[in-house]
Amino acid sequence: DQQVKQNSPSLSVQEGRISILNCDYTNSMFDYFLWYKKYPAEGPTFLISISSIKDKNEDGRFTVFLNKSAKHLSLHIVPSQPGDSAVYFCAAITRHQGAQKLVFGQGTRLTINP
Amino acid sequence: NAGVTQTPKFQVLKTGQSMTLQCAQDMNHEYMSWYRQDPGMGLRLIHYSVGAGITDQGEVPNGYNVSRSTTEDFPLRLLSAAPSQTSVYFCASSWGGGNRISGANVLTFGAGSRLTVL
Repeated sequence: DQQVKQNSPSLSVQEGRISILNCDYTNSMFDYFLWYKKYPAEGPTFLISISSIKDKNEDGRFTVFLNKSAKHLSLHIVPSQPGDSAVYFCAAITRHQGAQKLVFGQGTRLTINP
Repeated sequence: NAGVTQTPKFQVLKTGQSMTLQCAQDMNHEYMSWYRQDPGMGLRLIHYSVGAGITDQGEVPNGYNVSRSTTEDFPLRLLSAAPSQTSVYFCASSWGGGNRISGANVLTFGAGSRLTVL
């Protein structure tokens, strides 16, 4: 049962334009959502997060939007740069017997074209 | 700071062999975890630990053992390797993970260990 889903395996965007990566979830008990970025042969690195009590969080070129009624999360990157080419993972925090656990989506490979 | 260090980076095993993937962190993080990454599956949690002496299972624990004798180290043991365990393994840690900690559990990941089981 995939609780966090990224339905687009890949996305191609022109440099300077907006990149929008989407994520859907099924568990209404998730209380935090995060985006991680991963380059080849490296571990994922944290990008941005949002609490379930907010609907938007912005950090420089990166903005995450949360629509709780639709159980939908999106990451906007504007303007997109070649260095943004990477795999992006959406993740959600769930709690089990007192411990936090992250549940990840399948990932979306973003390619920024010059 | 080295952060999270995983060894080895690459390993090839034969079916039935056993091995240990090592993970060490120097950030005094309480929480440590192991994930595997497979195509189309994202990152799936194998085991995690909220502190020395405490471990628990994640989504896909079968075929793997862990122990946490120190805060710094969290080795992952494959008891009898199978081709289905061919994957890239990531160790990750964070400063908190228990319910007494509020906020997001931001993980720091190692660079990964690529395992092939023939």
